Amino acid sequence: DGGITQSPKYLFRKEGQNVTLSCEQNLNHDAMYWYRQDPGQGLRLIYYSQIVNDFQKGDIAEGYSVSREKKESFPLTVTSAQKNPTAFYLCASKEGRGDQPQHFGDGTRLSIL
Amino acid sequence: QKEVEQNSGPLSVPEGAIASLNCTYSDRVSQSFFWYRQYSGKSPELIMSIYSNGDKEDGRFTAQLNKASQYVSLLIRDSQPSDSATYLCAVKRPWETGGFKTIFGAGTRLFVKA
Repeated sequence: DGGITQSPKYLFRKEGQNVTLSCEQNLNHDAMYWYRQDPGQGLRLIYYSQIVNDFQKGDIAEGYSVSREKKESFPLTVTSAQKNPTAFYLCASKEGRGDQPQHFGDGTRLSIL
Repeated sequence: QKEVEQNSGPLSVPEGAIASLNCTYSDRVSQSFFWYRQYSGKSPELIMSIYSNGDKEDGRFTAQLNKASQYVSLLIRDSQPSDSATYLCAVKRPWETGGFKTIFGAGTRLFVKA
């Protein structure tokens, strides 16, 4: 079955700790994205990658880092510099650079201990 | 002004009625428009894409696009309790840094009463 797999589903972070959220896709999509969703707000773009070994900052990249060493994987690290990390994190992918829509993984809910 | 605006709701309709969800966007060069359904605690699921003016129908769903008015809507006919969810409008526009960017609205909560 093709799809986007995010793990873990729930994650707790201690103060001062870095945590990494996993996103893997077997759709052979070039583009991958990370969004953050807070209650009552739209999705906000953290980082995106159009191709392997290349990624760009989105609107709220501060306190986050990513890597794109493989086409199928786009992990997101929430660093200790992100002072308000509690949110629902969504990974998405898209085929090509055209008008195709993005498709989402099941999300990771991150909370502070 | 938000780039993509939706009424947060909740919009409450009786079972079997037509639910009408609206979305306006600010950038005239926006070119692709999407509706996603998001159940509570779940990820968004694409239900409709529309790229040109007019109506596009898929089962009980109809998307309507009016680029002159910068307005896109989603109609759900014969609404069912299982349609109760938050509906996100998404708009794709050119990005200042090159390429295209998808902007999401905050969503409209729909409640279908049995």
